[in-house]
Amino acid sequence: GAVVSQHPSRVICKSGTSVKIECRSLDFQATTMFWYRQFPKKSLMLMATSNEGSKATYEQGVEKDKFLINHASLTLSTLTVTSAHPEDSSFYICSASGGSGSGNEQFFGPGTRLTVL
Amino acid sequence: GQNIDQPTEMTATEGAIVQINCTYQTSGFNGLFWYQQHAGEAPTFLSYNVLDGLEEKGRFSSFLSRSKGYSYLLLKELQMKDSASYLCAVSPYTDKLIFGTGTRLQVFP
Repeated sequence: GAVVSQHPSRVICKSGTSVKIECRSLDFQATTMFWYRQFPKKSLMLMATSNEGSKATYEQGVEKDKFLINHASLTLSTLTVTSAHPEDSSFYICSASGGSGSGNEQFFGPGTRLTVL
Repeated sequence: GQNIDQPTEMTATEGAIVQINCTYQTSGFNGLFWYQQHAGEAPTFLSYNVLDGLEEKGRFSSFLSRSKGYSYLLLKELQMKDSASYLCAVSPYTDKLIFGTGTRLQVFP
């Protein structure tokens, strides 16, 4: 149990377009979902925390209007990168908590590699 | 502020033992996690410590000292497939995780 999926796994888009990434908990109801960004050879940087039905809590320095997060149900959260630019190219990973695990264990999706041309 | 430190890179030989250290200073403490991450993949859970002491799970063990703000991950009988990044993460409160810089481990034959 405690499987998290992400879609798409890879996306290439033109500068100025918007990209939506989906994160789903497949076999459990996620009380909280998290969005991370990871640059090459770097660790995960938390972007925002979202709870179903409420506004996401963004980390300092993360633009709310740039990275739109919607958590419409207990199994689905979406991250929309609006007006994407090359500097937004990165590996985006979501995670979810609420499944069976140790402590407040987060279960990670496989990640989405975004390339903005 | 929140600060979690790990060595950036380590190397070891197949069959050997390696210890990856993690020190942390966080506003609260609700547990410490170790994750393994292969390049281009999502992190996978290895261990969780919330009380002081050693947790053993097969070839992997994790130790925690809350008073020292210190943890280590011990990998025994290293295999080539253990070459990966190892991420130390602290939950300062509720279910939020703050990740350390990660340690890239290379195992050589």
